[in-house]
Amino acid sequence: DADVTQTPRNRITKTGKRIMLECSQTKGHDRMYWYRQDPGLGLQLIYYSFDVKDINKGEISDGYSVSRQAQAKFSLSLESAIPNQTALYFCATSDPSGSTDTQYFGPGTRLTVL
Amino acid sequence: QQQVKQSPQSLIVQKGGISIINCAYENTAFDYFPWYQQFPGKGPALLIAIRPDVSEKKEGRFTISFNKSAKQFSLHIMDSQPGDSATYFCAASIQGAGSYQLTFGKGTKLSVIP
Repeated sequence: DADVTQTPRNRITKTGKRIMLECSQTKGHDRMYWYRQDPGLGLQLIYYSFDVKDINKGEISDGYSVSRQAQAKFSLSLESAIPNQTALYFCATSDPSGSTDTQYFGPGTRLTVL
Repeated sequence: QQQVKQSPQSLIVQKGGISIINCAYENTAFDYFPWYQQFPGKGPALLIAIRPDVSEKKEGRFTISFNKSAKQFSLHIMDSQPGDSATYFCAASIQGAGSYQLTFGKGTKLSVIP
């Protein structure tokens, strides 16, 4: 969905390096999420933010940190990357003002940690 | 603890056949059950969703069947087409509590062969 963009789309890095994945959205949604996808494991929630001042840990937050710079921007950082953080990372947004809270996903960032 | 169990992990169906994917949940507080569809290289996108006050919801060739007493729900794809080949994720959330966090199943890779 072009309304949710992620940069970079692919990244190869080495163990111990600091990495930042960025997410931007033009949907005007307050809620933003970071997920990790591994083959056969589905989508696991890393962090979520209900507004700029509200950031919460998800089920697998260890080794990750986030920053909500503005309503439209939500960044995920790996302070010291390790090989088992190799995965596909998705950002998503949602607007709970409707009757349901549909999440809109970005195209993903494929991260490889060597 | 996996709160949403999805099966099968992979499914091969012939064109024109019926694809059936099943999910079971544990938390009786879940009150919103969406299905997301993901094509290779893309982020997941909402396909169809149901609330527990109805037993079935149909949108075109896609139908969700919901069994509250058994804590199970399933996705049926009628007249399956090669373009339906994708990974399907069931999910559940507690929207009534205002959290709107989605818990995903591990996904089913569907291949529809001509």
